[in-house]
Amino acid sequence: DTAVSQTPKYLVTQMGNDKSIKCEQNLGHDTMYWYKQDSKKFLKIMFSYNNKELIINETVPNRFSPKSPDKAHLNLHINSLELGDSAVYFCASSPRGVNTGELFFGEGSRLTVL
Amino acid sequence: DAKTTQPPSMDCAEGRAANLPCNHSTISGNEYVYWYRQIHSQGPQYIIHGLKNNETNEMASLIITEDRKSSTLILPHATLRDTAVYYCIVRSTKSGGYQKVTFGIGTKLQVIP
Repeated sequence: DTAVSQTPKYLVTQMGNDKSIKCEQNLGHDTMYWYKQDSKKFLKIMFSYNNKELIINETVPNRFSPKSPDKAHLNLHINSLELGDSAVYFCASSPRGVNTGELFFGEGSRLTVL
Repeated sequence: DAKTTQPPSMDCAEGRAANLPCNHSTISGNEYVYWYRQIHSQGPQYIIHGLKNNETNEMASLIITEDRKSSTLILPHATLRDTAVYYCIVRSTKSGGYQKVTFGIGTKLQVIP
């Protein structure tokens, strides 16, 4: 009974291609995130959506476009993939407006750009 | 966000307590201390958080100094499955309760049989 699920888990593609990673959470949380973990293992926030509204955008290139069709889903579309986009992308969710601040992460999607 | 400083790595014998330190000397009065861990090839996992009082749950205990400038995460009986990178985070809150959680390098804990 996965709380935050991402697909695909692995993605290998060529430079210049466009790809998407999907994320779904069944926790009833209002807020969802995308994080990127690079080869040096730094985990950086990219985007956050609250009830389908973008609330955090951490200076990510325009090639990255998150889309939230409803509050349970936050998909990440990447255009014109570059070598530097190779990383593990984590989706997460959290309840809004409470002090716990707990993030619930998915298992990650490993993107390899050749 | 207040910065945190953690040792890059630590070892702990299986069955012994693992004490993971974290310095956050610039923490402000309304910032919480959170701990997460990331087991290899998995997503980060929330462990515990606190403001100024010590906290305990089924996973760990969190000891925060009186001046709040440092804290220690305690795993009372470390097992091999506790081998992971542990992140100490101080969380800031934007208006409306939006939570920006920023991860540092963390401490790589190796539990040794």
